[in-house]
Amino acid sequence: AQSVTQLGSHVSVSEGALVLLRCNYSSSVPPYLFWYVQYPNQGLQLLLKYTTGATLVKGINGFEAEFKKSETSFHLTKPSAHMSDAAEYFCAVSRNSGNTPLVFGKGTRLSVIA
Amino acid sequence: KAGVTQTPRYLIKTRGQQVTLSCSPISGHRSVSWYQQTPGQGLQFLFEYFSETQRNKGNFPGRFSGRQFSNSRSEMNVSTLELGDSALYLCASSLERGGNTEAFFGQGTRLTVV
Repeated sequence: AQSVTQLGSHVSVSEGALVLLRCNYSSSVPPYLFWYVQYPNQGLQLLLKYTTGATLVKGINGFEAEFKKSETSFHLTKPSAHMSDAAEYFCAVSRNSGNTPLVFGKGTRLSVIA
Repeated sequence: KAGVTQTPRYLIKTRGQQVTLSCSPISGHRSVSWYQQTPGQGLQFLFEYFSETQRNKGNFPGRFSGRQFSNSRSEMNVSTLELGDSALYLCASSLERGGNTEAFFGQGTRLTVV
């Protein structure tokens, strides 16, 4: 069975500071990994995904994440936070074989302080 | 290209009633998945439909059901509503099945059971 743990249900950063949202996964097979963002009263939007190949993945809005197999982690980072980054972020995992649904973490709410 | 459309956006129902939610996927997408989002449980997979057939089902009681039509539009139905069914119901469409296929989410239907 697959699972995702997001450390910290709420993260607060100052505008211009580094954003680091943590995600650890558990999977018995090589995973596909995703980060989604959800703004209030909206659906989820894909930020980036790791399937195969380069372990450092760049996404939209200046976000990137690095797949570290040895640490079973897929942390999301952004060098400089912007007020518009305030939202809820979800890490998700699926299998790279078969057709399995996304398994999501509980989410991390990011607040950006001016 | 139009995104995933969910109707209605908001719904208030009474305990014991039933409800039907609708999802129109992105044109050409054949896979539709449904998720329930609550503050306590987070995002949980309900079911996936592909080519009018349910392909995967999450761990929800039989009161939750769905279907997909030949044009890929999908509906989900919840019978005998309980207070705990209050949630944001999200629909996601994908071009094909497969763990690495990007899922595009609708804005959701917020169901309140009173």
